[in-house]
Amino acid sequence: DVKVTQSSRYLVKRTGEKVFLECVQDMDHENMFWYRQDPGLGLRLIYFSYDVKMKEKGDIPEGYSVSREKKERFSLILESASTNQTSMYLCASSPSGELFFGEGSRLTVL
Amino acid sequence: AQKITQTQPGMFVQEKEAVTLDCTYDTSDPSYGLFWYKQPSSGEMIFLIYQGSYDQQNATEGRYSLNFQKARKSANLVISASQLGDSAMYFCAMRALYQGAQKLVFGQGTRLTINP
Repeated sequence: DVKVTQSSRYLVKRTGEKVFLECVQDMDHENMFWYRQDPGLGLRLIYFSYDVKMKEKGDIPEGYSVSREKKERFSLILESASTNQTSMYLCASSPSGELFFGEGSRLTVL
Repeated sequence: AQKITQTQPGMFVQEKEAVTLDCTYDTSDPSYGLFWYKQPSSGEMIFLIYQGSYDQQNATEGRYSLNFQKARKSANLVISASQLGDSAMYFCAMRALYQGAQKLVFGQGTRLTINP
């Protein structure tokens, strides 16, 4: 079975803090994605990566950056967290097409 | 640009009834794929069913079927004989090409509640 692991299920951070969300997949997938999920808005794509060291902006990249130094790991970085970044963050990986999701990381920024 | 629309924020259905969750899409790509995911209260996203734009028949997976009407650009999910465990958020998604790579575009979701 494909396993996508997100490092933290729940985080509470303060405004201005730097936040790292880590995601690891064990199926050698080329593609990895970061989405945020908010009520009434569905899942919105923040960034994705189709290869090591490659990254592409999604629909809402502002305030975020990503890192993919190894194929299995895709990190989402909030350089200076703000309260409007309080959300559920979902990581996913894919060989092509279907996405395999992690359990999500619920971030609260105070 | 590709877009998915789910017009039902919430639905309430009696147990054992069939339920249809609506999904319409917009794309200019000739080749695309449509997905449905279920998200229970625990938060994980569970893949349910997939339909390719060139598939001749509607996809089925157990109690799930996808009513694909290409001319109307709709891809409704039908759940037969609903169960209490079907209560969850349901998301429709479309595979789209973006800057040479594939990504999934999601709708807003429909919260389904099955009543005993």
